[in-house]
Amino acid sequence: AQSVTQLGSHVSVSEGALVLLRCNYSSSVPPYLFWYVQYPNQGLQLLLKYTSAATLVKGINGFEAEFKKSETSFHLTKPSAHMSDAAEYFCAVSDRRAGGTSYGKLTFGQGTILTVHP
Amino acid sequence: GAGVSQTPSNKVTEKGKYVELRCDPISGHTALYWYRQSLGQGPEFLIYFQGTGAADDSGLPNDRFFAVRPEGSVSTLKIQRTERGDSAVYLCASSFSQGNEQFFGPGTRLTVL
Repeated sequence: AQSVTQLGSHVSVSEGALVLLRCNYSSSVPPYLFWYVQYPNQGLQLLLKYTSAATLVKGINGFEAEFKKSETSFHLTKPSAHMSDAAEYFCAVSDRRAGGTSYGKLTFGQGTILTVHP
Repeated sequence: GAGVSQTPSNKVTEKGKYVELRCDPISGHTALYWYRQSLGQGPEFLIYFQGTGAADDSGLPNDRFFAVRPEGSVSTLKIQRTERGDSAVYLCASSFSQGNEQFFGPGTRLTVL
């Protein structure tokens, strides 16, 4: 079965500092990979996704993630943190069907709470 | 346009009672997913509908949980004989079709006393 590991349940950075949130997956076949953000009392919002094209994926709000097959990783980064980035971030995977499309069902990591200090 | 809506936003019930949670997907979305998010955890898959049929219900924890989507739009998650361990936020998501981006609702927070 698919599994996703997010290293660090809490990450704290200063405003303007680099944000790095780690995600590793377990799968023999590269899956579809996603990062979602959840603000308090709001639904999950898709930040970015990897489908099999470019390994460096750019998302909304200045975030990007790099797919590294050799490391089975999909870490999320942002060069300069803003106060508004404070939220909980989830990495998720979806199996790849035989035809290459996503199966759809998502398996999530446990989440990383990002705190941004002034 | 309107996003995914879920009602109620909060539900408090007593152990042993029956509850229904409703999800209104984005209009035109054929795929609908239910997830459960316990405190401090990531969402866990429960069931997925493609149209009216449950294409994958492998995440339902036991036979107290059941979901329907009779007309291929609104879905209801039903929980019988609720237990304290059922307390969680129940999330619904919809997508244009299987494999496309899922749009999540705000969730229903269920508390079983």
